[in-house]
Amino acid sequence: SAVISQKPSRDICQRGTSLTIQCQVDSQVTMMFWYRQQPGQSLTLIATANQGSEATYESGFVIDKFPISRPNLTFSTLTVSNMSPEDSSIYLCSVDYPGQTYTFGSGTRLTVV
Amino acid sequence: AQRVTQPEKLLSVFKGAPVELKCNYSYSGSPELFWYVQYSRQRLQLLLRHISRESIKGFTADLNKGETSFHLKKPFAQEEDSAMYYCALQTSGSRLTFGEGTQLTVNP
Repeated sequence: SAVISQKPSRDICQRGTSLTIQCQVDSQVTMMFWYRQQPGQSLTLIATANQGSEATYESGFVIDKFPISRPNLTFSTLTVSNMSPEDSSIYLCSVDYPGQTYTFGSGTRLTVV
Repeated sequence: AQRVTQPEKLLSVFKGAPVELKCNYSYSGSPELFWYVQYSRQRLQLLLRHISRESIKGFTADLNKGETSFHLKKPFAQEEDSAMYYCALQTSGSRLTFGEGTQLTVNP
């Protein structure tokens, strides 16, 4: 089964700064996704990370705020830019691995102070 | 637009009792539905999907297109079933739309 390593697992950041979250998969995958889970709420898809092209963002999410890189088929990063306390959430990476259906990373718990 | 509704945020049952976690969806296309579970301090993991029609850890879920529902059931709940359960709908581009989640507590 696909193994996803996500880091950092948690961080406390100052408002106005940026944090980059990394997602590493142990095998090549076509589809990689980034989700956000705000406190007490469900998961919301931020964007689909496409290898070799720009990410596809969902309504309400923009590239300037959440730039995403996907340099190859096993790695992606999500940056949360110019953070405010409202960005405090758990951010999760997910992959659609053939035969396994949407495996999730362990998440990054971000607190903005 | 697609939507997944889990009407119960909290559900509490006693060990050995039947449990049903409700999920309703709205989607204009052909739905593909999933149940995910998150145990305390663990990552989100797939419990089952409607296409496979399997039983995992004693849980089953049947897709009812007429009622647009995909309720999760287990005849005899166990304490280790206590967890957060999310119903999810796959839409175009392999994207998942999640429900709000139901926190299940199984009491001894």
